[in-house]
Amino acid sequence: GQNIDQPTEMTATEGAIVQINCTYQTSGFNGLFWYQQHAGEAPTFLSYNVLDGLEEKGRFSSFLSRSKGYSYLLLKELQMKDSASYLCAVKDSNYQLIWGAGTKLIIKP
Amino acid sequence: NAGVTQTPKFRVLKTGQSMTLLCAQDMNHEYMYWYRQDPGMGLRLIHYSVGEGTTAKGEVPDGYNVSRLKKLNFLLGLESAAPSQTSVYFCASSPTGEIDTQYFGPGTRLTVL
Repeated sequence: GQNIDQPTEMTATEGAIVQINCTYQTSGFNGLFWYQQHAGEAPTFLSYNVLDGLEEKGRFSSFLSRSKGYSYLLLKELQMKDSASYLCAVKDSNYQLIWGAGTKLIIKP
Repeated sequence: NAGVTQTPKFRVLKTGQSMTLLCAQDMNHEYMYWYRQDPGMGLRLIHYSVGEGTTAKGEVPDGYNVSRLKKLNFLLGLESAAPSQTSVYFCASSPTGEIDTQYFGPGTRLTVL
């Protein structure tokens, strides 16, 4: 079966750095996405990786290792508004998105 | 641009009642999707459409029907609602189905009593 694993919840301090991990087992791979979802709102796109390595976009970076079935989302200089759930999703061989359950990130002052 | 809109935002149904959720997008995207989101689980694809007049089953299609009579609209129907269909429903669209980002609507919170 297809599976995406990510921690259920993480806590970090304002101004710090946090890394959210995602491991996946899917039938085929056509890219990995990270989305942010604030409570009660829709998911919004953060990043996309299809090749190994690090993609940086401002305070957010995303890393991919296809051989290990592993990705992480790195958030720097945490702000209170970063409190949200972070969803990892993989496009399989049929270009269907397989979603993880999400990691709820709690930021403390 | 409004992006993706959904109506209604909230609804309470009794078991056995029917309803239709409406999704509209103004980006002229080819692909549209209906997901449900339940606590502790990832988004699950119910049905999707790769273009006007086409629909296909996703991971959890049972108990739902869809129609895409117009390119910009995608309707999700529940013919006989069950408590197991209590969930938050999200509609999304993308230009194509390959590597494009999906854009989500604000969601519909449905409770079936």
